Parts: sequence; C-alpha cells; structure tokens
Amino acid sequence: GEDVEQSLFLSVREGDSSVINCTYTDSSSTYLYWYKQEPGAGLQLLTYIFSNMDMKQDQRLTVLLNKKDKHLSLRIADTQTGDSAIYFCAETFSQAGTALIFGKGTTLSVSS
Amino acid sequence: GAVVSQHPSRVICKSGTSVKIECRSLDFQATTMFWYRQFPKQSLMLMATSNEGSKATYEQGVEKDKFLINHASLTLSTLTVTSAHPEDSSFYICSARAGTGGLEQYFGPGTRLTVT
Repeated sequence: GEDVEQSLFLSVREGDSSVINCTYTDSSSTYLYWYKQEPGAGLQLLTYIFSNMDMKQDQRLTVLLNKKDKHLSLRIADTQTGDSAIYFCAETFSQAGTALIFGKGTTLSVSS
Repeated sequence: GAVVSQHPSRVICKSGTSVKIECRSLDFQATTMFWYRQFPKQSLMLMATSNEGSKATYEQGVEKDKFLINHASLTLSTLTVTSAHPEDSSFYICSARAGTGGLEQYFGPGTRLTVT
C-alpha cells in the first residue's frame, strides 16, 4: 500500500539551509507535494513536482526528486524564524480527483 | 491563490449532539472536495471524498452514518458529525481541487472540534 515517510524533527540556525527529506513506496506516484502547516492553522501549498521532473526551484525553495530511490527533498535556503512549522510531503497518483497521501510531517525549528 | 474557508474554526459541543462543519471554495468552483482528520502531532488522514451532486466516497474505517457529507454546490461541502463522542475530538480539515484537472489542492484553515 501507499506509505510516505519523513523524519520527525529538524533544527537549524537562522540563515542556514534546511533540507527536509521524504521517501515514498509507490512508484506509480504521479505528483509529489510539499505543504507547510503553522501551529493551529491549515495547510499551505508550497510547491509540487511531477514525477518526470528531477528538480524544481522556486525562490528559496528547491525540490529534488530521485525517482529511482523514491526520495523527495525540500531545501529551504537562508532559513528564517518564520519558516518554523511542520512540513508535510504528500503524493497522489492521477490528475483527476484523487486525494493526497501524507507523510507524518517534519517539525522544523529555526533558532536565531 | 485560491482560498478555501471553513466554519466554524473552533467548536465545543456536548456528547450526543451533532455538529456541522462547512467548507467553502471562495473564488473557484470545486467539483471535488476532501475531508481529512488530524490528531495531535499526527499526519492528515483522509476521511472521505466529496463530489458535487453525488454521494461521498468514504475511506475504510470511516462510518458514513456518523460523518455525514453533503456537497450540494460547486462551492460548498458540509461535514456533520452526528451523535458526537469525546473520541471524535480532533482537527478537521477540508481541501478542494480547482476544476476537474487541477493539480493543486487548496486547504481550509481547519476546524477544531472538542466534544465534552
């Protein structure tokens, strides 16, 4: 069945880069997503990548996908205290109307 | 970007009562909406997929008679927790896809339900 795994915690200093890792088991995953959740709030879509892409960059965010190893990572450059949140990776399998399968989330703590 | 709202944001109710949670897509039409449940420090678990004009599809283990879902229009889906019990206390989050081919899922801010 589907399974998405993430490390639970990451602690970095302000200004450093953060790398959050995610592995998934189903090779038929089509789209992979990164969401950010701040305390007590809903989820904010950060970025997503198609399974036929290796890398996607959007300002401070870089997503790397290793489809062979089923490994997805999110790199946040110049991490700020406002980046402190829980980051979820998620996968889905088709374009039309399927739900997301989420990992358990990585709590990113940024210290000044 | 697209905005999804939920109402109420927080509700406290007594055991045995029913609670309705609304999910609205404010600036786009959503043929499909999803309802998730999130326990403290846990991931989101999909409860059901809500399609406008048809019955919702429930995930295994989710009681459809307890969690009633109605998707009456392209901008509104409701989740009613019937005969609520303390174990139903949780954070309920809805999401909506923009159109039938949209890749992005937009999430509501969530509803914190506490059953006393």
